[in-house]
Amino acid sequence: NAGVTQTPKFQVLKTGQSMTLQCAQDMNHEYMSWYRQDPGMGLRLIHYSVGAGITDQGEVPNGYNVSRSTTEDFPLRLLSAAPSQTSVYFCASSYLQGRGEQFFGPGTRLTVL
Amino acid sequence: AQSVTQLDSQVPVFEEAPVELRCNYSSSVSVYLFWYVQYPNQGLQLLLKYLSGSTLVKGINGFEAEFNKSQTSFHLRKPSVHISDTAEYFCAVVQGGSEKLVFGKGTKLTVNP
Repeated sequence: NAGVTQTPKFQVLKTGQSMTLQCAQDMNHEYMSWYRQDPGMGLRLIHYSVGAGITDQGEVPNGYNVSRSTTEDFPLRLLSAAPSQTSVYFCASSYLQGRGEQFFGPGTRLTVL
Repeated sequence: AQSVTQLDSQVPVFEEAPVELRCNYSSSVSVYLFWYVQYPNQGLQLLLKYLSGSTLVKGINGFEAEFNKSQTSFHLRKPSVHISDTAEYFCAVVQGGSEKLVFGKGTKLTVNP
């Protein structure tokens, strides 16, 4: 099993550009989520999904969109990048009723100039 | 809303010394508790978890944590640390019935020779 994979590993964008961060898992997990990690802030939940076709907002959803068309994939879209979105982004997955035991991807480091 | 407080942002210790990383959470109503570890430039991995039962939980790499419901705490301990334990440690909580992990801001443990 590859576990949770994320692409790209690094990305530099200019203000106003859009892009999609990819996330995939091969563990047949129902629950998938996106976090951003900023120094001294811990991890904050952006969006999450409890299954294909079902998504919901987390703590910091503004400026981001998600969709879940398959169990395996959960892409995160930045509609119009801003410097405040410079961060490290982590995707995670788990079984429903997994009671918080989530598996994390290696992260995407995004810089917005 | 659930919240997690990690009382120390940085903890420097010498190799082979004991260490305690402190964590308090906001509600004692049916919670599941976790410690995750993040080594430099990597994703997060689960160190240990408390779901129910014995309040003393053992995890990987010789770490353990004790759930104290009356003090709403879940402190992480290791009797003798190694250089390789240098990492950032995150306490996290899931409230019963939810899938959403709420993270503390992290504690950077630095083990010096």
